Amino acid sequence: SQQGEEDPQALSIQEGENATMNCSYKTSINNLQWYRQNSGRGLVHLILIRSNEREKHSGRLRVTLDTSKKSSSLLITASRAADTASYFCATDHNTDKLIFGTGTRLQVFP
Amino acid sequence: NAGVTQTPKFQVLKTGQSMTLQCAQDMNHEYMSWYRQDPGMGLRLIHYSVGAGITDQGEVPNGYNVSRSTTEDFPLRLLSAAPSQTSVYFCASSPLAGGPDTQYFGPGTRLTVL
Repeated sequence: SQQGEEDPQALSIQEGENATMNCSYKTSINNLQWYRQNSGRGLVHLILIRSNEREKHSGRLRVTLDTSKKSSSLLITASRAADTASYFCATDHNTDKLIFGTGTRLQVFP
Repeated sequence: NAGVTQTPKFQVLKTGQSMTLQCAQDMNHEYMSWYRQDPGMGLRLIHYSVGAGITDQGEVPNGYNVSRSTTEDFPLRLLSAAPSQTSVYFCASSPLAGGPDTQYFGPGTRLTVL
């Protein structure tokens, strides 16, 4: 399967702490994307990083990409209870198919 | 802009019945796709389209048909529903930029097959 795999599967932290999630994939990509899904809702796009980029920031989010290791990480700084959600990475593998990983469930306690 | 809309929001079918899940977008996006999400799982790609008149299979296409006669609409047809197709179905659209770009998702259709 080309599916990416997120690690850890689940993560519990206190408000104010940082949360780091990792995504590994198997074949070369054109871009890698991160999405958030609140319980029972549709997915919301967070960040897209292209294969020639190494790091991108958006507010409290920082994404890194290491194409040599075929991995990416999503860092959420100063977490809030509202960040509680599932987070997914998605990769295109240089095709027109966007394949999602299995997700990390993040719980942020007040 | 309404973004990506899906109808119905909920549907219950009996085994063997057929139905069409509707998806429409008003952002003039070339790329549209259908995913299914089973409980506690990630999304799996069913079918996708890179433009009107062009469709292709994703990871789990069996039991589903699609067509793309217009840029705006991308319906998903279940030919003969089975309990294994009980899932939440998401439609998404995006511009094409050398591949699928930022995806805009609809709210989902929750389907139960008895």
